[in-house]
Amino acid sequence: KQEVTQIPAALSVPEGENLVLNCSFTDSAIYNLQWFRQDPGKGLTSLLLIQSSQREQTSGRLNASLDKSSGRSTLYIAASQPGDSATYLCAALTGANSKLTFGKGITLSVRP
Amino acid sequence: GAGVSQTPSNKVTEKGKYVELRCDPISGHTALYWYRQSLGQGPEFLIYFQGTGAADDSGLPNDRFFAVRPEGSVSTLKIQRTERGDSAVYLCASSTTTGDEQFFGPGTRLTVL
Repeated sequence: KQEVTQIPAALSVPEGENLVLNCSFTDSAIYNLQWFRQDPGKGLTSLLLIQSSQREQTSGRLNASLDKSSGRSTLYIAASQPGDSATYLCAALTGANSKLTFGKGITLSVRP
Repeated sequence: GAGVSQTPSNKVTEKGKYVELRCDPISGHTALYWYRQSLGQGPEFLIYFQGTGAADDSGLPNDRFFAVRPEGSVSTLKIQRTERGDSAVYLCASSTTTGDEQFFGPGTRLTVL
């Protein structure tokens, strides 16, 4: 059974800092890995998707990497801004049933 | 529409009542998923449709939960004899096909009193 872990649960950084959010998964036989952003009381916004054959994906100030062999993914946020404050969730797509298994998320606060 | 839509956005009901939650996926998306998110947790898978058929319903917690997608587009999640433990945000997602990027709706917040 796939398990996804995100540590720490919360993170507070000053504006402008570059930061890395970590995600680990137990079953390396993933189809893809997706990073989401969730604002309070809202749904999930897809940020980046990395296919199992890829090592990384970039979108603007965001860069996500994937290391299947070690069961890890990271989301790098460059030059953080207060508007980046939200909960970030990673989710692994495993097997033929195509369900996503989510971590609990990391709540990020970027201080002005 | 441009994205996945869900109705209602909020639903308050009494213990023992029946509720229906609706999901309109992105036009042309053949795969549709339901997840449930409790406070402070990540979403948990409930059921997945490819077209009209439920390809995997292994996440449904018990037989009080049922979902349909009769025409391969709109889906309805049905909960009978609601219990307080059913209170959560119910999220719907769709993707072009199985295994593709999933796009989520805003969710329905269900509160069972």
